[in-house]
Amino acid sequence: EVQLVESGGGLVQPGRSLRLSCAASGFTFDDYAMHWVRQAPGKGLEWVSGISWNSGSIGYADSVKGRFTISRDNAKNSLYLQMNSLRAEDTALYYCAKETDYGDSLDYWGQGTLVTVSS
Amino acid sequence: EIVLTQSPGTLSLSPGERATLSCRASQSVSSSYLAWYQQKPGQAPRLLIYGASSRATGIPDRFSGSGSGTDFTLTISRLEPEDFAVYYCQQYGSSPGGFRWTFGQGTKLEIK
Repeated sequence: EVQLVESGGGLVQPGRSLRLSCAASGFTFDDYAMHWVRQAPGKGLEWVSGISWNSGSIGYADSVKGRFTISRDNAKNSLYLQMNSLRAEDTALYYCAKETDYGDSLDYWGQGTLVTVSS
Repeated sequence: EIVLTQSPGTLSLSPGERATLSCRASQSVSSSYLAWYQQKPGQAPRLLIYGASSRATGIPDRFSGSGSGTDFTLTISRLEPEDFAVYYCQQYGSSPGGFRWTFGQGTKLEIK
């Protein structure tokens, strides 16, 4: 059974940093690209970042480019999101998600970790 | 960046009726890399359709996707009570700089 478990969320002041983690199990982690998607309270989904299986291809939404860094450790079956210079508008539930075999959509999602940016 | 615009924002229908949800892209979506997701309150999104028209594993055949280029549609042929939720379209894109994915703003399907 595929499982994605996010951790690392919490309350943080504007301008500070936070690192999210996603522990993956139930599939061959290093065969798949992985993504972070966030959802602000009461709002829609926003793609944040994606990373290919070997970290050779990475992308970011314009809203986080230059502040967030995605990475993965295939030996630990883990995905990470380093978030720097956090802003109030980064407040959201952050989901970790696995790409499909076809590479064009996300077939498994974690339950999310909540990040609240507030003074 | 490709912008996806979903319409209507809210759709009010009764169980047994047919639902038609629209997703329009600001520029052509290559190779029909368009997916649809369903999200219920307090739950993570669930993949329904990928490649514009292929149903994901375990998705009932009352869900169907169609379209190409800039206009895509999700159709639910006969609404069941469990279908009332929020639906999002998503496009897969890439650039020399890497991944460039976007979601639409969502359509809420509510019981009339």
